Amino acid sequence: AQKVTQAQTEISVVEKEDVTLDCVYETRDTTYYLFWYKQPPSGELVFLIRRNSFDEQNEISGRYSWNFQKSTSSFNFTITASQVVDSAVYFCALSRGDSNYQLIWGAGTKLIIKP
Amino acid sequence: DAMVIQNPRYQVTQFGKPVTLSCSQTLNHNVMYWYQQKSSQAPKLLFHYYDKDFNNEADTPDNFQSRRPNTSFCFLDIRSPGLGDAAMYLCATSRERAGNSNQPQHFGDGTRLSIL
Repeated sequence: AQKVTQAQTEISVVEKEDVTLDCVYETRDTTYYLFWYKQPPSGELVFLIRRNSFDEQNEISGRYSWNFQKSTSSFNFTITASQVVDSAVYFCALSRGDSNYQLIWGAGTKLIIKP
Repeated sequence: DAMVIQNPRYQVTQFGKPVTLSCSQTLNHNVMYWYQQKSSQAPKLLFHYYDKDFNNEADTPDNFQSRRPNTSFCFLDIRSPGLGDAAMYLCATSRERAGNSNQPQHFGDGTRLSIL
């Protein structure tokens, strides 16, 4: 069975602090994809990153970075020097390599950045 | 510019009164999806179209229907809304459904549906 666990229901930090959102997944597939989406209070889901199971390189995009470790089945997301605009719910999701349409979603982590 | 457009952003309907939500896309993607998202939960896939091929999720209530008259538009019809159908409804698109590249899904802003 496939599953995504985001154990942190809510995180609250003060602006400019670094924060890491955890994502642990379960799958028996050898080919799969992992995603992170951001959902601000306005409601739209914004795609942040896609990573396939054969690419374990970490990725950095501005203040955002992602750490993919197959050994621990984790795909963690770090925001450096957080800003109030980063406040949102962040979802981690998993899809099978042969099927793009079914995303297995984590429960989401609500991130609150205090000024 | 928005590439997946949902109208309206907020919709209020009466219990049992049919309602239609609309979604359009400028991406020319083959696949369009409808999700239901209730408060503090992850999105739940209702169904998707691959071109004109309709795919219903096994646990989607019969009360929910969809139409895709052309590539750009997709509609969600709720025949007899109940109080439990109050939620955010999200439309998404992707270029392909399956394949090695596994393109991400692009979402619209959502329509928040309230039932009186």
